[in-house]
Amino acid sequence: AQSVTQLDSHVSVSEGTPVLLRCNYSSSYSPSLFWYVQHPNKGLQLLLKYTSAATLVKGINGFEAEFKKSETSFHLTKPSAHMSDAAEYFCVVSDPSGGYNKLIFGAGTRLAVHP
Amino acid sequence: DGGITQSPKYLFRKEGQNVTLSCEQNLNHDAMYWYRQDPGQGLRLIYYSQIVNDFQKGDIAEGYSVSREKKESFPLTVTSAQKNPTAFYLCASSRGPGQGRTGELFFGEGSRLTVL
Repeated sequence: AQSVTQLDSHVSVSEGTPVLLRCNYSSSYSPSLFWYVQHPNKGLQLLLKYTSAATLVKGINGFEAEFKKSETSFHLTKPSAHMSDAAEYFCVVSDPSGGYNKLIFGAGTRLAVHP
Repeated sequence: DGGITQSPKYLFRKEGQNVTLSCEQNLNHDAMYWYRQDPGQGLRLIYYSQIVNDFQKGDIAEGYSVSREKKESFPLTVTSAQKNPTAFYLCASSRGPGQGRTGELFFGEGSRLTVL
C-alpha cells in the first residue's frame, strides 16, 4: 500500500535562511510524488511533481525537491525563506492501484517564517 | 480565467439540517473530487467522479452524497447522518483517463462548514 510520512508537523525558520521539509514515502510501484502548498483558508496549489524523469525537480517560487529511491525520500528545500512562504505544505504520493487519480496526502507541515 | 469555484466560503448549519456545497469548474476536466480537511490529518477523500453521471465513494463517504449531472458541476450534500460535519471541504478536478491524465489536482478555495 502507498503511504507518505511528513516527519515534522511544524518547522520554524528565519527569513533568508534555508528551508527543509522532510517527506518519506512507501510505494509498491514507481511512484509519482507531489508537493502542494496551502495558505490559510485557501485551496492547495501544486509546487512541483516528480514522475520518473529527473530526480531533482524544480518548482515554483524557488522550491525544489530531490527524489531519493534508496532513502524513499522526497524532501522539499528552498535556499532562502521569504515571509510569503509561511503556509502548510503537503507531500503527496499517487496510488495507481485505485483505478483513478488516487492521491495519498501526508498530514502536512506548517512552515513559520520569522523576520 | 480557468479554475474551480466553491460556494459558499463559510456556512453555518444547525444539527439535523442537510447542506449542499457547490463546486463548479471551467477547466474541461472529466474528473472531480471532494476532500475533507481536519487539522493535523491531511486531506481525506469523500467522493470522486471520473465522468458525468458516474461517481464513486472515497474513504469517508458515510453521511455525504453527491451528483454529477453536468461536467462542470459536482455538488456535495452533507446530510444530518454525518456525525461530525464541522470541517473544511475542498473540491478538486483533474484530467480524466481519456484526457492525458497528469496526476495533478486543481483545487478550489474551500468551504468551511460549522455545525452549531
